Amino acid sequence: AQSVTQLDSQVPVFEEAPVELRCNYSSSVSVYLFWYVQYPNQGLQLLLKYLSGSTLVESINGFEAEFNKSQTSFHLRKPSVHISDTAEYFCAVITYNTDKLIFGTGTRLQVFP
Amino acid sequence: DGGITQSPKYLFRKEGQNVTLSCEQNLNHDAMYWYRQDPGQGLRLIYYSQIVNDFQKGDIAEGYSVSREKKESFPLTVTSAQKNPTAFYLCASSMSTAGTRAGELFFGEGSRLTVL
Repeated sequence: AQSVTQLDSQVPVFEEAPVELRCNYSSSVSVYLFWYVQYPNQGLQLLLKYLSGSTLVESINGFEAEFNKSQTSFHLRKPSVHISDTAEYFCAVITYNTDKLIFGTGTRLQVFP
Repeated sequence: DGGITQSPKYLFRKEGQNVTLSCEQNLNHDAMYWYRQDPGQGLRLIYYSQIVNDFQKGDIAEGYSVSREKKESFPLTVTSAQKNPTAFYLCASSMSTAGTRAGELFFGEGSRLTVL
């Protein structure tokens, strides 16, 4: 069965520092991968997705994620964070043969001035 | 603007009472979903619907009920049988439940239910 692991429940970081939010998945078949962001007291928004092709995908606000098939990972990175990036980030996976979206438990990114 | 509207945003209920959460979308999406969010547990699927007048149980359907009489509406009823109903409830929609579209969800802003 597929699963998603986000090892870090919280990541504190200072403004303008780089950050990496880790996501590992388990699946015996090919997958599609997603990162969602949730700002306080709001719903989730799709941040970026990997469907096929280039393993490096980018969002409009400077985040990027790289699909690594050998390590079954899809870590989210940003070279310089802003206060406004403070939010909870969820990794999600769906396999080719199930159409069932599985979410990780989330990582709370807290950016300090 | 197109999107998903959930109401109410905050709701308080006494034990033993049923409560219905509203979810309306104007995105013309076929699929709709209800998730429950608890701290540290991520999102858990309650029910989903692929088409009008049809819906399926998710991972934690016990104590909940839904209906899908119109394409744009997917209300969730939290019944008195739900043993721990205090949570943040999120409604979502997608173009379909097939393939990549099943992973591209649009969410409402959520409804926070507190049982007193």
